[in-house]
Amino acid sequence: DSGVTQTPKHLITATGQRVTLRCSPRSGDLSVYWYQQSLDQGLQFLIHYYNGEERAKGNILERFSAQQFPDLHSELNLSSLELGDSALYFCASSVALSDTQYFGPGTRLTVL
Amino acid sequence: DAKTTQPTSMDCAEGRAANLPCNHSTISGNEYVYWYRQIHSQGPQYIIHGLKNNETNEMASLIITEDRKSSTLILPHATLRDTAVYYCIVRDNSGYSTLTFGKGTMLLVSP
Repeated sequence: DSGVTQTPKHLITATGQRVTLRCSPRSGDLSVYWYQQSLDQGLQFLIHYYNGEERAKGNILERFSAQQFPDLHSELNLSSLELGDSALYFCASSVALSDTQYFGPGTRLTVL
Repeated sequence: DAKTTQPTSMDCAEGRAANLPCNHSTISGNEYVYWYRQIHSQGPQYIIHGLKNNETNEMASLIITEDRKSSTLILPHATLRDTAVYYCIVRDNSGYSTLTFGKGTMLLVSP
């Protein structure tokens, strides 16, 4: 158990819908990262927040957005969902900017 | 960050040592070598990391060559639960960089 929690574990929705994935970092960690893992693309970095501020963006679509709240939990919002958005979404946390990242168990999103 | 090269797959007998190689010939002085593993669709699990010296923890040992162009992750007594995809990642800890995952090595531990 890494100490990072993610909800929900599974999410099934339809194309065109919007969903929110939630991540709670390990106690004391200020950084939260989001990753997407699909069958054809592997694990890809989406976005990083540090202490409430966006610090880096990776291969994140414009339909996707994220935020980190004052209590340091983070939410990843996915809108106008497409079949290709079906994937595992992981968040990770670290103490500061470049420390070791610890991953949560992930949310499996299925878009029908 | 420097690119890494790993074998696609490896086999290991249960109870034997598993030695997973990684080439990172373009690694620079500030870059660390990180190892993660992912057990079937679970979240990636941090194993170990190092800069120059060999490192050991309760999970594994990391051997980095003197020229730092390659490394080996050693699981001293592999068990069936060690079957996973193992990722070797090079990362600059001095500035800011994210983790870039490649395809990793699928390690299959058999009875």
